[in-house]
Amino acid sequence: GQNIDQPTEMTATEGAIVQINCTYQTSGFNGLFWYQQHAGEAPTFLSYNVLDGLEEKGRFSSFLSRSKGYSYLLLKELQMKDSASYLCAVSDSNYQLIWGAGTKLIIKP
Amino acid sequence: GAVVSQHPSWVICKSGTSVKIECRSLDFQATTMFWYRQFPKQSLMLMATSNEGSKATYEQGVEKDKFLINHASLTLSTLTVTSAHPEDSSFYICSAREPDRYYEQYFGPGTRLTVT
Repeated sequence: GQNIDQPTEMTATEGAIVQINCTYQTSGFNGLFWYQQHAGEAPTFLSYNVLDGLEEKGRFSSFLSRSKGYSYLLLKELQMKDSASYLCAVSDSNYQLIWGAGTKLIIKP
Repeated sequence: GAVVSQHPSWVICKSGTSVKIECRSLDFQATTMFWYRQFPKQSLMLMATSNEGSKATYEQGVEKDKFLINHASLTLSTLTVTSAHPEDSSFYICSAREPDRYYEQYFGPGTRLTVT
């Protein structure tokens, strides 16, 4: 079966760095996405990785290792507005998105 | 950038009535649209994949006679929740994909449905 695992909840301090991990087992792989979702809103696109390595975009970076079925999202210089759920999703062999359950990130002052 | 709109953004209806939700791609043609449902504190659950001009493909466990999907044009897909019940209350989100960008989906803002 297809499976994506990520922690349910994480807590971090404003100004700090946090890493959210995601492991996956899917039938085929056409890329991995990270989305941010604030409560009551639709997901917004953060990053897309299809090749191994690190993609950096401002305060956010995403890493992928296809051989390990592993990705992480790194958030630097955390701000209170970063409090949200972070969803890991893998595009499978049919280009359908398989979703993780999401990681709720709580930022404390 | 690619923009997807949904209408209405929220709706309250009585049990037994039907509700139609529209999903539009505003600045691109979407050959494929997806409908998701999300319950509180849970992740997105794919309900169906809608291809323009053909019947939608429903995920296992989703009743196609209850959740009617029509993708009549390259910019519009509709989801009709028929004979709604309180357990259908949820956040419904659509996404759309461009023909030559198989790997990316653009999400609408979502529709909050409350059935009383």
